[in-house]
Amino acid sequence: DIQMTQSPSTLSASVGDRVTITCRASQSISSWLAWYQQKPGKAPKLLIYKASSLESGVPSRFSGSGSGTEFTLTISSLQPDDFATYYCQQYNSFSRTFGQGTKVEIK
Amino acid sequence: EVQLVESGGGLVQAGGSLRLSCAASGFTFNNYWMSWVRQAPGTGLEWVATIKQDGGANYYLDSVKGRFTISRDNAKNSLYLQMNSLRAEDTAVYFCASGGNTAFGYWGQGTLVTVSS
Repeated sequence: DIQMTQSPSTLSASVGDRVTITCRASQSISSWLAWYQQKPGKAPKLLIYKASSLESGVPSRFSGSGSGTEFTLTISSLQPDDFATYYCQQYNSFSRTFGQGTKVEIK
Repeated sequence: EVQLVESGGGLVQAGGSLRLSCAASGFTFNNYWMSWVRQAPGTGLEWVATIKQDGGANYYLDSVKGRFTISRDNAKNSLYLQMNSLRAEDTAVYFCASGGNTAFGYWGQGTLVTVSS
């Protein structure tokens, strides 16, 4: 199985900060990577698919980049609604795997 | 408005069975691969199973192979997960989601399965 490793596990930031989360795959997954946001007690929400494509309705402050084994999710200016846990997920192969998550906390 | 509504979760003893259902509306269900994703308490997301649009292909997490069966009824816009020989480690919130060949685009609110040992 392809392992997905996110860093950091927790990130403390302030409103207005630029935030970057990294996701590394144990083998190449081309651009078959998605990013999700999850708030406590809620279902995940798709933010980015195919590594850099913004899902409809998602604010443009979210962006994704990368290919192969290294990927990033960037929030250009952190907003109060963005404090949540973020997951990457590969869909290059069955079985699908998620990263362990990155919790973005208020500094 | 897209809706995925799961049902069927609950408390079951280890070794028991449960059948989860997911009712879909607001999109063309039979055009989409569909999946189940779970989240154990306080932990991350784990993909469980995926089924093709016509039910002709299924894929499973290794640890549930032979115990869980994913199925769908396109006439009823419904997705199912039959879970047998349940273990304590299957305790989780189970989400129904669209996709599996692509990113998971639509998600339900989840249904909690608790397996007591």
